[in-house]
Amino acid sequence: SQKIEQNSEALNIQEGKTATLTCNYTNYSPAYLQWYRQDPGRGPVFLLLIRENEKEKRKERLKVTFDTTLKQSLFHITASQPADSATYLCALDPSGSARQLTFGSGTQLTVLP
Amino acid sequence: EADIYQTPRYLVIGTGKKITLECSQTMGHDKMYWYQQDPGMELHLIHYSYGVNSTEKGDLSSESTVSRIRTEHFPLTLESARPSHTSQYLCASFGPTNTGELFFGEGSRLTVL
Repeated sequence: SQKIEQNSEALNIQEGKTATLTCNYTNYSPAYLQWYRQDPGRGPVFLLLIRENEKEKRKERLKVTFDTTLKQSLFHITASQPADSATYLCALDPSGSARQLTFGSGTQLTVLP
Repeated sequence: EADIYQTPRYLVIGTGKKITLECSQTMGHDKMYWYQQDPGMELHLIHYSYGVNSTEKGDLSSESTVSRIRTEHFPLTLESARPSHTSQYLCASFGPTNTGELFFGEGSRLTVL
């Protein structure tokens, strides 16, 4: 069956360091992979989308890589700040229509001052 | 900021009551979704709509029903709430953007006593 796994444990890092979050998937051929941020009690907010033919995408302090051979995406936040503390969700979309968008359970990131 | 709104944000009701969770968006998006999310868990799609008068059940079985009479409005109804319905319900919409992102509402947290 299709499965998405994100860092199983919460991630704590020191302010200013780079946070790296992992999203692994099995039995899936996603056309797109997306990353969302979710704060407690709020809805997810879109951050980045990367397509299957793209290796890397950047947006300000964020960088996403996508390795379809390893079936893995890495999400990096450079120069992390306490305001980056949140849960980060990866989501896979096989078609780009969002009808079959499947979410991982997320990784809770805490950036310590 | 996304123009998608959910009410109520929080609802505590007794078993057997009928409830309707409201979701409205002002972006003119045809595709709308309802997701269910328990704490620390992934989002599960429970309902999907392609447009007016078009609805489908999602991957996660749900006793709730939805309607789509107007493009901007996608309410979810539980005819007889039970404690097992206690959860966070998230509404989202999808439009023709280059980013392929879902726009989420802030969520409705339902507690059934």
